[in-house]
Amino acid sequence: TQLLEQSPQFLSIQEGENLTVYCNSSSVFSSLQWYRQEPGEGPVLLVTVVTGGEVKKLKRLTFQFGDARKDSSLHITAAQPGDTGLYLCAGARRTTDSWGKLQFGAGTQVVVTP
Amino acid sequence: DTEVTQTPKHLVMGMTNKKSLKCEQHMGHRAMYWYKQKAKKPPELMFVYSYEKLSINESVPSRFSPECPNSSLLNLHLHALQPEDSALYLCASSQLWDRGYGYTFGSGTRLTVV
Repeated sequence: TQLLEQSPQFLSIQEGENLTVYCNSSSVFSSLQWYRQEPGEGPVLLVTVVTGGEVKKLKRLTFQFGDARKDSSLHITAAQPGDTGLYLCAGARRTTDSWGKLQFGAGTQVVVTP
Repeated sequence: DTEVTQTPKHLVMGMTNKKSLKCEQHMGHRAMYWYKQKAKKPPELMFVYSYEKLSINESVPSRFSPECPNSSLLNLHLHALQPEDSALYLCASSQLWDRGYGYTFGSGTRLTVV
């Protein structure tokens, strides 16, 4: 059972367009992390959000954590071909039986064409 | 040093072989992880080590045997694998559970079982 639902599963856009990826859950998370993964490589951490309502900006990337800490979004402005990759959200919950278990969403494959 | 180094990058092994995957980090992280990732799927947690002790085993078959010789090294010993075990094996490390920190992943070992 996937605790984190990501949408859309696949996104193909032209260079210069904007895009948003969503990560939703019925569970509350202590923190939510976003990673980007390229083929044959490990995921690379983009950001960690921990406070409900938090917004973080990383150049053209904007991350938001929902007020109830159950959902998050990633918005990319003026996408570039270098933004192509698999975007993964991952949530951490601090309970005695889930310590160390980072729950991953299924991922969103983003393709940006020149 | 802000990297997790995994060796080998590629491995082809027969079903009767014994091989080991190696992972090394020098960031002082006291939690280390093994993940398995199949094509077009998110990473799946296999094992968690904290302070060099196994803290989580996600019901992984005994043909996979983890080992943590010291705080910088993590091994995964493989024996009598099946073709369906072919996957990208990822090692990761993090600060001991703290909601503000993300994981650092290695580039992975692409394992093919023939």
